[in-house]
Amino acid sequence: EPEVTQTPSHQVTQMGQEVILRCVPISNHLYFYWYRQILGQKVEFLVSFYNNEISEKSEIFDDQFSVERPDGSNFTLKIRSTKLEDSAMYFCASRFQFGTEAFFGQGTRLTVV
Amino acid sequence: AQKITQTQPGMFVQEKEAVTLDCTYDTSDQSYGLFWYKQPSSGEMIFLIYQGSYDEQNATEGRYSLNFQKARKSANLVISASQLGDSAMYFCAGGSAETSGSRLTFGEGTQLTVNP
Repeated sequence: EPEVTQTPSHQVTQMGQEVILRCVPISNHLYFYWYRQILGQKVEFLVSFYNNEISEKSEIFDDQFSVERPDGSNFTLKIRSTKLEDSAMYFCASRFQFGTEAFFGQGTRLTVV
Repeated sequence: AQKITQTQPGMFVQEKEAVTLDCTYDTSDQSYGLFWYKQPSSGEMIFLIYQGSYDEQNATEGRYSLNFQKARKSANLVISASQLGDSAMYFCAGGSAETSGSRLTFGEGTQLTVNP
């Protein structure tokens, strides 16, 4: 069964460093998302991506964040200068079209120290 | 914009019994979707079931069914014949079906514990 895959599963980084979280969405899906979940809290939307551009972003997704789909299969989230409060589980998701179910990857746990 | 409310922070059920997890929503969209996800302690988000606002019948997927009451704006998840492996956090989520790439908005979650 096709699935969304994320790498790495866990990343530890020093405050101020750049991190890139990687995702391979399901191959025929057209819409891609990043969400995050701070420990013990609910899942929060960060950004959606369609047709090679950002379609929507939340107030969390400030200038420190960027997304790319560099080669037609990978979908990346970059955090330019990490802060302690960026520590969270980051989920990539994809869906074939809006109004259908979104499938999530297993998540990348980011720890900023 | 969507607002999703889950009022049960924790629920307990005996193995083999049925349990209902509550979810209410608020939206101005005419066309939208409602979702339930399971998050075990390992952290991944597992899609369980989807209901479109235009679907006349309640969605079912194996032991999961969605009790969709549009007038009450509720989309409760019913798990029949609970198993120990059902112990997890359950999230209700909603999203517009009118706007391209619509985000999902999640509720606070319900921690379900299945007792032997």
